[in-house]
Formats: sequence, structure tokens, C-alpha cells
Amino acid sequence: DAGVIQSPRHEVTEMGQEVTLRCKPISGHDYLFWYRQTMMRGLELLIYFNNNVPIDDSGMPEDRFSAKMPNASFSTLKIQPSEPRDSAVYFCASSPGGTGIGYGYTFGSGTRLTVV
Amino acid sequence: GDSVTQMEGPVTLSEEAFLTINCTYTATGYPSLFWYVQYPGEGLQLLLKATKADDKGSNKGFEATYRKETTSFHLEKGSVQVSDSAVYFCALSRIGNQFYFGTGTSLTVIP
Repeated sequence: DAGVIQSPRHEVTEMGQEVTLRCKPISGHDYLFWYRQTMMRGLELLIYFNNNVPIDDSGMPEDRFSAKMPNASFSTLKIQPSEPRDSAVYFCASSPGGTGIGYGYTFGSGTRLTVV
Repeated sequence: GDSVTQMEGPVTLSEEAFLTINCTYTATGYPSLFWYVQYPGEGLQLLLKATKADDKGSNKGFEATYRKETTSFHLEKGSVQVSDSAVYFCALSRIGNQFYFGTGTSLTVIP
């Protein structure tokens, strides 16, 4: 299994531009999570999906952020318009089952976003 | 609400030293507990886990025991190596909920 695949690995964009981050979860995993990691705030859960349906998006910082999961093998996180304070590493993770029954997450390698 | 508190870093140790990274949790019910490791430039990797009280998780020489009486899940290793230099995250989850991660503890092992 190739694991959770994220693209791009690095993204540098100018303030005001649209940014789209992509994630392919592990086949058969029903849960998909988007996290943001910064030095100041650590790991923050942005949103998670179960069977392609958004379950909790309370961590999405503002309306500039949106996430979709059109099918079981693909998800996107979009920022429009981007701002310098969005600079962070964005991780996607997937899990095969209910999060409380010991499966654990598998994380992707992350996308390092820099907004200048 | 659920939360995880882990010791502040950074931690610097000499090779072959004993490692302890403290982690305590607050949760109702019976959470599962995890340690994740993040190497530079990479995502988090599951290191070990325990799903019920008194369980001991172990992997790559690391161990942690789920102590319900002290609500703790401390990470230990008897002899660290330079290759163990990374950031370590304690986490918990309960059925129906997402993970709650600690703030991470940076470990540097010097030769």
C-alpha cells in the first residue's frame, strides 16, 4: 500500500491567490482528516469526513477555507484567497474505522504551504 | 473536555541515555491512547498504542503503559539512539470522536 498521498509537497504562492491541496487516502479507509501544523498552534484538526461526508468542520478557520471529498479516493482542501498567516504544513490522514477503537491514523507526508 | 498534556521540550540526551516523556490525559469513559513520532520533514507515524487500562504498548524499544489510576501514558526507552531524534506526540481518542494531540516534545540525541 502506498500510504496516504498528498500533493504538492511544497507550495509557494502569492497572497490573494487560490491554493488547492490534494489527498488520496488509503484504500478502504472510511475516515479522512485534514490537519494544520504550525509552531505557534501545534496540530489543529480542520475537518474530517466519514464515508465522504463532512462530519465536523468546526476547526476550519474561516470561510476562505473549504474542503471536499467527491469520492472515497480523493479529497481537496482549498484556500481562497490565501493570506500569509495560512503558511503552515497541512497534513491529511486516514483511518479504517471509528477513531476510538484503537486503529490510529495514517498520516501523509504533508504539504508545506508558504504564502508570500 | 478531552485533552492531553505532555511535558514541554526540548529534551536533549546523550546516546544510550534513558528517556521518559510524560503524558497525562483528561477524558470521560475509556479512551485509546497513542504515541506518534514525527521525523524532520515527514508526517506523523504511529509509534505505539494501548486501548485499555494496564495495556502496554511497545515498538522499536519504546514502551508506554496505560495507567488509568494516574491518567498517564508516559513514553520510555532504555537506551536512545541518534536516530530517535524527532518530535513525539501523545494522543487520545474515544469512540465517535477525533484524536486529541498533545503539543509535542522535541527530542535531540547527541552522540
